[in-house]
Amino acid sequence: GNSVTQMEGPVTLSEEAFLTINCTYTATGYPSLFWYVQYPGEGLQLLLKATKADDKGSNKGFEATYRKETTSFHLEKGSVQVSDSAVYFCARSGNTPLVFGKGTRLSVIA
Amino acid sequence: NAGVTQTPKFRVLKTGQSMTLLCAQDMNHEYMYWYRQDPGMGLRLIHYSVGEGTTAKGEVPDGYNVSRLKKQNFLLGLESAAPSQTSVYFCASSLTGTDELYGYTFGSGTRLTVV
Repeated sequence: GNSVTQMEGPVTLSEEAFLTINCTYTATGYPSLFWYVQYPGEGLQLLLKATKADDKGSNKGFEATYRKETTSFHLEKGSVQVSDSAVYFCARSGNTPLVFGKGTRLSVIA
Repeated sequence: NAGVTQTPKFRVLKTGQSMTLLCAQDMNHEYMYWYRQDPGMGLRLIHYSVGEGTTAKGEVPDGYNVSRLKKQNFLLGLESAAPSQTSVYFCASSLTGTDELYGYTFGSGTRLTVV
């Protein structure tokens, strides 16, 4: 079936640490891939996206590369800030509305 | 400001009561969605609509009904609330089914507690 698997959280990092949140997907064909972010008390908002293999999405210092060979779309940031504390969701497109992963909570401490 | 507005923001229901959650968008989006968010479960799609007058079931539709009588509104109804429906409900809209350009626009959520 079509699904998205994210690494379990919560993830706690010190400010300026390197962040990786793993995401893998299963799908027929070649879906578009997304990362959404949910700040406390808010709805989700699009962080970045990639629509085909080898594309790199980037925004606000975050990056993710669409890897067809490993069916992955891992989120990375070189130096996290306290303001990056949020829940991050990986998502994929298909023949149905977006399918989301379970979310990974990130806490960044000063 | 353009966006998705959900009402109410909070609600406490007794088991067996009914209620309707309202979602309104002013972006002329064709597609609208209702998700629920539960700890450890992520976002799960309840129902969605691909245009005015249409609705379709998502992953967890049981116990819910929806209507899309006007393009800008998508209503989620609970006919007989159960404690298992305690959750945070999010409405979203998009121009197309995946909308790779702009993504989905989400409301700020409705926190529902059923006691």
